[in-house]
Amino acid sequence: QTVVTQEPSFSVSPGGTVTLTCGLSSGSVSTSDFPSWYQQTPGQAPRTLIYSTDSRSSGVPDRFSGSILGNKAALTITGAQADDESDYYCVLYMGSGLWVFGGGTKLTVL
Amino acid sequence: QITLKESGPTLVKPTQTLTLTCTFSGISFTTSGVGMGWIRQPPGKALEWLALIYWDDDKRYSSSLKSRLTITKDTSKNQVVLTMTNMHPVDTAIYYCARSTVTTGWAFDVWGQGTMVTVSS
Repeated sequence: QTVVTQEPSFSVSPGGTVTLTCGLSSGSVSTSDFPSWYQQTPGQAPRTLIYSTDSRSSGVPDRFSGSILGNKAALTITGAQADDESDYYCVLYMGSGLWVFGGGTKLTVL
Repeated sequence: QITLKESGPTLVKPTQTLTLTCTFSGISFTTSGVGMGWIRQPPGKALEWLALIYWDDDKRYSSSLKSRLTITKDTSKNQVVLTMTNMHPVDTAIYYCARSTVTTGWAFDVWGQGTMVTVSS
């Protein structure tokens, strides 16, 4: 069974830079997995931030960026703001129509 | 403007079958490269993908829940329906529908607001 791994929690100072990662329990994440990233605040539906590794969804500030770092997908927030405090989820499209969500990262800005 | 809205019962009893409907607008489901999926989130837990139906009626299911799920579409009504059999208290969750397209690498780019389903006797 495919398991997608994310850091359970992370903290960043206001104005700082943070990189969240998305890996596989076995193997490497590549662009062929079409990693996407979602932001979710309490009581709200997820908001799409990044798709196809590094493409920003409409209206997403350019301080959010996606990439592949080593063997993982990565979401980098540059110049973190207070309202970036959220849960962040990655999803890998494993091909043949199978999507796997990571366990999510709770980001604290303090 | 694209909108998706989930509807269905808020409370189901254990062993019952859950039927959820996603009604959408602004999406042409006859267009090649479009899919509609269902994702759920138990209280305080992570998101979990359940199922997706493509524009051509091809269907995909989570391997762990495949035996309990059925996804269908009614293009004339702009609706996608998910049924889940043999509901259990662990199935208590917010259920979301979301659009997925080939142009976004099959990411879920538009989400409904979600509907809370509680499984309890």
